[in-house]
Amino acid sequence: KQEVTQIPAALSVPEGENLVLNCSFTDSAIYNLQWFRQDPGKGLTSLLLIQSSQREQTSGRLNASLDKSSGRSTLYIAASQPGDSATYLCAVKNDRRVSGTYKYIFGTGTRLKVLA
Amino acid sequence: GAGVSQTPSNKVTEKGKYVELRCDPISGHTALYWYRQSLGQGPEFLIYFQGTGAADDSGLPNDRFFAVRPEGSVSTLKIQRTERGDSAVYLCASSLSGTSTDTQYFGPGTRLTVL
Repeated sequence: KQEVTQIPAALSVPEGENLVLNCSFTDSAIYNLQWFRQDPGKGLTSLLLIQSSQREQTSGRLNASLDKSSGRSTLYIAASQPGDSATYLCAVKNDRRVSGTYKYIFGTGTRLKVLA
Repeated sequence: GAGVSQTPSNKVTEKGKYVELRCDPISGHTALYWYRQSLGQGPEFLIYFQGTGAADDSGLPNDRFFAVRPEGSVSTLKIQRTERGDSAVYLCASSLSGTSTDTQYFGPGTRLTVL
């Protein structure tokens, strides 16, 4: 059974710092891995999607890497801003032959607070 | 077009009552997913529809939970005899066809509180 873990559970940093959020998963039979942002009381906003054949994806100040064989992904945020404060969720889409459905399996998230 | 919408945004009910949560997917999307997010947790899969049929309901916690999608568009998640433990945010997502490369687009969720 696929399990997704995110470390740290919470993080508080001063504005301007570069930071790394970690995600690990137990079963490497995935199609892709996606990082989401969730603001309080809101739905999920997709940040970056990495296909299983890719090593990284970049969007602006965000960079996500994937090491499928070791079951790890990192989300790097450069020059953090107070507006980056949110919960960041990592999710893997399992190989359908394993789970029967292309559903996402989520981690518990990292709550980020960037102090002005 | 418009994104995934869910109604109501908030629902407060009493223990033992019946509730219905509605999801309007993106027009043309045949795949629809329901997830449940408890406080401090990540979303957990409940059920997946491909068209009108429930292709995978392995995530439904028990038989008090049921979902329908009669015309292959709007879906309703139904919870009978609600319990306090059902309190959570219920998220709906849709994708074009449910394939491995599809992107799932999430709605804003319905926050259910069972008193």
